[in-house]
Amino acid sequence: QQQVKQSPQSLIVQKGGISIINCAYENTAFDYFPWYQQFPGKGPALLIAIRPDVSEKKEGRFTISFNKSAKQFSLHIMDSQPGDSATYFCAASRAGGYSSASKIIFGSGTRLSIRP
Amino acid sequence: GAGVSQSPSNKVTEKGKDVELRCDPISGHTALYWYRQSLGQGLEFLIYFQGNSAPDKSGLPSDRFSAERTGGSVSTLTIQRTQQEDSAVYLCASSYTSGGARNEQFFGPGTRLTVL
Repeated sequence: QQQVKQSPQSLIVQKGGISIINCAYENTAFDYFPWYQQFPGKGPALLIAIRPDVSEKKEGRFTISFNKSAKQFSLHIMDSQPGDSATYFCAASRAGGYSSASKIIFGSGTRLSIRP
Repeated sequence: GAGVSQSPSNKVTEKGKDVELRCDPISGHTALYWYRQSLGQGLEFLIYFQGNSAPDKSGLPSDRFSAERTGGSVSTLTIQRTQQEDSAVYLCASSYTSGGARNEQFFGPGTRLTVL
């Protein structure tokens, strides 16, 4: 059962353009939605994350838009740069309480290429 | 400071052999996770440990897979009687879950396992 669906699988964007990656989730118990960035040969690294009590979060050129009723969220990369070329994973988890850990359910990933 | 480290970085083994993969989490992190990333695929949760609690083994694909965490720090993932479909990158992550911190997981570089 694929609990987090991600699209597109791959994306090519011109330098300076906007990159948009979409995700949808099924489990309404999820309450933490991170995006991870992965470069070849490296482990994923947290890029930005959001909780469902807000509809948007912005950090620099990266913005998450969140639609709780539709159970969808998306990552927007403004002014995309060649250095942004990487694989991006959306994810969802239950953040848990103050002393709880929780497994992360990842989307299938989007390979983003920014053309100079 | 030091991040999550994993060893070996690459492992080639013959079908039917046992392998052990090691993870050293970030010092002070109470939770440790194992994920598997197959070629071109997303990350698949395997198991996680939190403090002295019983581990969540819900993602282990078969009884050939096991993991332990000694002294609340280093973890070893063991795959017995390896099969070709076990070929993947095995990623370890750790997080600090006490004190209300968000569930940010820090990933190691992974161990690339190839079963011939």
